[in-house]
Amino acid sequence: NAGVTQTPKFRILKIGQSMTLQCTQDMNHNYMYWYRQDPGMGLKLIYYSVGAGITDKGEVPNGYNVSRSTTEDFPLRLELAAPSQTSVYFCASSLSSSYNSPLHFGNGTRLTVT
Amino acid sequence: RKEVEQDPGPFNVPEGATVAFNCTYSNSASQSFFWYRQDCRKEPKLLMSVYSSGNEDGRFTAQLNRASQYISLLIRDSKLSDSATYLCVVKTGRRALTFGSGTRLQVQP
Repeated sequence: NAGVTQTPKFRILKIGQSMTLQCTQDMNHNYMYWYRQDPGMGLKLIYYSVGAGITDKGEVPNGYNVSRSTTEDFPLRLELAAPSQTSVYFCASSLSSSYNSPLHFGNGTRLTVT
Repeated sequence: RKEVEQDPGPFNVPEGATVAFNCTYSNSASQSFFWYRQDCRKEPKLLMSVYSSGNEDGRFTAQLNRASQYISLLIRDSKLSDSATYLCVVKTGRRALTFGSGTRLQVQP
């Protein structure tokens, strides 16, 4: 059972480049999330989705875009990468938004923008 | 004021010690509370949910004080393997979970 799979694990980008962080889950979860975690900080929500075709902004959406064409996949797109986007990115999923539906996280993508 | 605040630590304790972390939250409408554990350079994992009456899972006890808007995590008989960062997590309404910055625990032999 793969759970939540993120690719790539590591990436170095130059300022102004773009890339897509991939996230896929095989648990048939409706809810999916993208968080970023800066060193010594908590996770901040970038975007989330409550089902295929539905996405919404989180706390820190600027500089990012998402799409949710299928239940399984929730890619995060960075356009015009900036040093401020250097972070660890976690994708997560949950069956629902209820309190007893825990988040399942992927292993993370470590992104450096120089 | 941050929505979820935690003492960053680190808490350095010897094996076998009892250690407690507190976390405060600012939104009185928050209704669900959790502790997640995050090992160094790894993804967070759910440790336990926090219920109004308090709850225990082995050596771990979680308490909620709604009047003072704080939750706590008590770890008894600390093990080396308990060394990690403990994230306080709060859910408010339909919003996604809000994470605290975490409290780092280092258990020493």
